[in-house]
Amino acid sequence: AQTVTQSQPEMSVQEAETVTLSCTYDTSENNYYLFWYKQPPSRQMILVIRQEAYKQQNATENRFSVNFQKAAKSFSLKISDSQLGDTAMYFCAFMTGETSYDKVIFGPGTSLSVIP
Amino acid sequence: NAGVTQTPKFQVLKTGQSMTLQCAQDMNHEYMSWYRQDPGMGLRLIHYSVGAGITDQGEVPNGYNVSRSTTEDFPLRLLSAAPSQTSVYFCATRGGGLQETQYFGPGTRLLVL
Repeated sequence: AQTVTQSQPEMSVQEAETVTLSCTYDTSENNYYLFWYKQPPSRQMILVIRQEAYKQQNATENRFSVNFQKAAKSFSLKISDSQLGDTAMYFCAFMTGETSYDKVIFGPGTSLSVIP
Repeated sequence: NAGVTQTPKFQVLKTGQSMTLQCAQDMNHEYMSWYRQDPGMGLRLIHYSVGAGITDQGEVPNGYNVSRSTTEDFPLRLLSAAPSQTSVYFCATRGGGLQETQYFGPGTRLLVL
């Protein structure tokens, strides 16, 4: 069974600084997808970035980028130029690519606080 | 275009009561899922559906039933509520193809006394 681990329950960063959130996962599959979701206090789940396992190039979305290390099964999220609006829970998630079923497995989350 | 809607937003139940959490989408998505979110545990998949008439169990299905009679609706039923089912429930949808983004509803907060 696939598992997703986020070893940092809480993190903080100064505004305008850079922070990296860690995520590791366990799977025996070769084809899969990885995601980072943001959940602000409003509770709305917002997709931040996604990565296809077959792509070697790391995904980027504006200030958000990932470091995908397939052999190490690691998928960290880097937030550059942190803003107050980045304060939220961040969830790493894994989706199987081996079947057509919608099974997305989430990690326990990291609570990020951006300090003015 | 409302996206994914969930009702109610908040509900208080007594142990043993039953209720249905509603989820509706207007994006014509094939895949729909129900998750529960508990502190320190992220989101856990309860049930999911890959199309009308097709449902399957996720990680934590016990105590919950689902059905999918239409593409738009995917209700979650609690047959006999227990305090352990106190949680925030999210419905999510996704179109066909593995590259499609998953869209979440706003959540339903459930308190079972």
